[in-house]
Amino acid sequence: GAGVSQTPSNKVTEKGKYVELRCDPISGHTALYWYRQSLGQGPEFLIYFQGTGAADDSGLPNDRFFAVRPEGSVSTLKIQRTERGDSAVYLCASSSAGQLNTGELFFGEGSRLTVL
Amino acid sequence: GNSVTQMEGPVTLSEEAFLTINCTYTATGYPSLFWYVQYPGEGLQLLLKATKADDKGSNKGFEATYRKETTSFHLEKGSVQVSDSAVYFCALSDPHTGRRALTFGSGTRLQVQP
Repeated sequence: GAGVSQTPSNKVTEKGKYVELRCDPISGHTALYWYRQSLGQGPEFLIYFQGTGAADDSGLPNDRFFAVRPEGSVSTLKIQRTERGDSAVYLCASSSAGQLNTGELFFGEGSRLTVL
Repeated sequence: GNSVTQMEGPVTLSEEAFLTINCTYTATGYPSLFWYVQYPGEGLQLLLKATKADDKGSNKGFEATYRKETTSFHLEKGSVQVSDSAVYFCALSDPHTGRRALTFGSGTRLQVQP
């Protein structure tokens, strides 16, 4: 597709359940980011991939959160034992190597997670 | 650490009014500064950027000037349109820290009435 695609667009789950959120970046983009946006707040950095490896995971809030990008394209954000405080919109963004230094990220529309 | 502070919204204006959305930042190095915009039902997209002091970013009639002395990057537009209604986010990146991620402000919602 032309842009960053995220699925599902909406996910409702129960406290304690496991959740996976998927991001399909723009073709050819080597850098991929996950952000979390709570209501009324700006996006908060979670993790950054350069190719297949996590170059910076300092934003992951705790060990319940994990992300992978096994083939350097699609990424999955995994949340174990979900808590009500995990409810937020999870944003994915990608950029090319040339855009990294310019700070231009291309964002998907996000996956809205609601934990009941 | 790095941080971005934006004026709280919503900002409600009539069409053709002048717009200013204030943004100030704190950074350890010499950051690049950005404004991103999120239109209803769409993902965030880059509106404009400035990479060094006194640079002016501009796009779609919006402008912002990188003011190092006041650590500010205020967004302005001379005449807003209904189609400018969106949420605007100020952001910075500080490559000197080795971190590639953007730090965002909390966003300012703009509502333009016809």
